[in-house]
Order: sequence, then C-alpha cells, then structure tokens
Amino acid sequence: GQNIDQPTEMTATEGAIVQINCTYQTSGFNGLFWYQQHAGEAPTFLSYNVLDGLEEKGRFSSFLSRSKGYSYLLLKELQMKDSASYLCAVRGTGYSTLTFGKGTMLLVSP
Amino acid sequence: DARVTQTPRHKVTEMGQEVTMRCQPILGHNTVFWYRQTMMQGLELLAYFRNRAPLDDSGMPKDRFSAEMPDATLATLKIQPSEPRDSAVYFCASGAGTGNTEAFFGQGTRLTVV
Repeated sequence: GQNIDQPTEMTATEGAIVQINCTYQTSGFNGLFWYQQHAGEAPTFLSYNVLDGLEEKGRFSSFLSRSKGYSYLLLKELQMKDSASYLCAVRGTGYSTLTFGKGTMLLVSP
Repeated sequence: DARVTQTPRHKVTEMGQEVTMRCQPILGHNTVFWYRQTMMQGLELLAYFRNRAPLDDSGMPKDRFSAEMPDATLATLKIQPSEPRDSAVYFCASGAGTGNTEAFFGQGTRLTVV
C-alpha cells in the first residue's frame, strides 16, 4: 500500500517563499508528482521527480529524496493566484497509477 | 485543444437512481483513470484502464459501481443504485502511460445524491 502525508494548510504572504513538504511510504516507487488545484477546478500538473535532487521550473521547484521518502515543493515570489491546494502524488511500479495525498491548502495574503 | 472532457459537469439525483458519468480521454492516450474527490478522503482512485482493459478497480465498491471503456474515445462510470454517501466530485484523467508522463484531468462531475 501507499501512505502519503502533507500538511493540511499553510499561509504565506505575497512575494514570500513557501515550502510544502510531502512524505511517503510506498510499496513501489516510479516517480513523484505535484499538482495544483484551484477551488472548483481540476488538478493541473506542476512537476515530476524520479531521481534525487531539485527540479526547477520558473517560480516553482520540486525536490526529491528517495532514501528518505521525502519531497518538497518550493514556491518563490508568491502571488495571490498561487492560493490553491497542492497535491503530492506517487506513482507506484507495475500499474503506473497515481496515489494522491490529501493536499495542502495554501492561502496567500497581501 | 487537447483536453479530457467529462459530462455532465453537475448532476443532482435522488437516492436509488442510476447515475452515468462519461469521459472522453485525450486522443492518443492509452491510460484512463477514474478518481473520486471528497473533503474527507481527498482524491481516491476508483478504476484504471490501460488500452481499454481494466487493470485496477480495487478502490471501487463493486456492488454498485461499474466502469467500462466501450471504445478508445469513451469511458463510463456508473452508479446503481446511488446513495447520499456517493456525493463527491468524480474526475476522469488520461495519460500516455509511460513512466514520466503526467495524468491530465477533466473538469470533473459534481454529483449530489439527495
């Protein structure tokens, strides 16, 4: 089975940097994904890590440590539109399904 | 404009009625997922198809739920009979099926069973 943990809520200020952590315990591992979901909308893909290290994509970066079962999503220069739920998801081996954490609701205030 | 299309977007039905949700995956994608999202449980995998064959439906209540792919352009999720606890947003997602490709989500069907 798979267990994915991430904080329920976080708050931050516009222009700041925020780090959202995700820890996972899985029976198999074939990559970790981060998705963003605005209220009432579908999840949209942000990043993918399969090897250890940092992947940078504009204001967003994602880090993975497979030995620690740990990932984080780093958001820089926060904007109001970044207020959303951020979902950590792990792909297992075999069937290639994605198992999602319950998401971290980020609120960015002025 | 490649996207996953789900219908209906909203559905209100009475307990005991049959509900059918439809999904058109992105053309060329060979994997299709059905997820259910609630505040309490988050996104839960209900079913997974690869090349139209069901590979994993262990997350789906078998007594009332069924998922099919009549052809490569249509996936259906049916609930019969529906119950109030089925109220949730049901998402369909499709992907190219390789290790590093993400799943693309449809806009979801918001189901309310009264």
